[in-house]
Amino acid sequence: GAGVSQTPSNKVTEKGKYVELRCDPISGHTALYWYRQSLGQGPEFLIYFQGTGAADDSGLPNDRFFAVRPEGSVSTLKIQRTERGDSAVYLCASSQGPGGHNEQFFGPGTRLTVL
Amino acid sequence: AQTVTQSQPEMSVQEAETVTLSCTYDTSENNYYLFWYKQPPSRQMILVIRQEAYKQQNATENRFSVNFQKAAKSFSLKISDSQLGDTAMYFCAFSPYNTDKLIFGTGTRLQVFP
Repeated sequence: GAGVSQTPSNKVTEKGKYVELRCDPISGHTALYWYRQSLGQGPEFLIYFQGTGAADDSGLPNDRFFAVRPEGSVSTLKIQRTERGDSAVYLCASSQGPGGHNEQFFGPGTRLTVL
Repeated sequence: AQTVTQSQPEMSVQEAETVTLSCTYDTSENNYYLFWYKQPPSRQMILVIRQEAYKQQNATENRFSVNFQKAAKSFSLKISDSQLGDTAMYFCAFSPYNTDKLIFGTGTRLQVFP
């Protein structure tokens, strides 16, 4: 079966613009996670969805970042008024359910570059 | 704060040899999971091995095994019979039972030489 997919694979935008990053989780996975990986760093947690609702958004850095998962499947991470510091690889992961006993399967990420 | 530390930015090993990657973590939790993830140049993170803190027996997955020392908060990864395909970034990660997020270290870049 298909794994987690993310589109686009690369996104270049200008400072101040709005961007949307999409994640298609593995079919049937109820839990979905967004992480951000800056150059030379490990991924940092942004937000976790269980079904349609955001169960934990404590990692979102500020109110310019927002994510939705309206039908409990595909998720979109939205970044308003992008800044150069937002440049990073944005990773999405999904799992069968919450908890560390459920493996998180990662997508290939979207590399965002803000000029 | 819960943190994960990987003190080896880079490691190298010859094919067929054994290498150990270090990881320490800091937490006041008693129940949690520990993970090693591999990230090849394709960027896709792949789970290598997982350990539950309440299990004293060290986890093994084929050529990969861990040395889990709960009191020392240490979780090292041993790769035996290293293969060229093991070349990648390796991240240690931690997840308390009461959350669902992974907390990652900064990674160790492993190069396997022929």
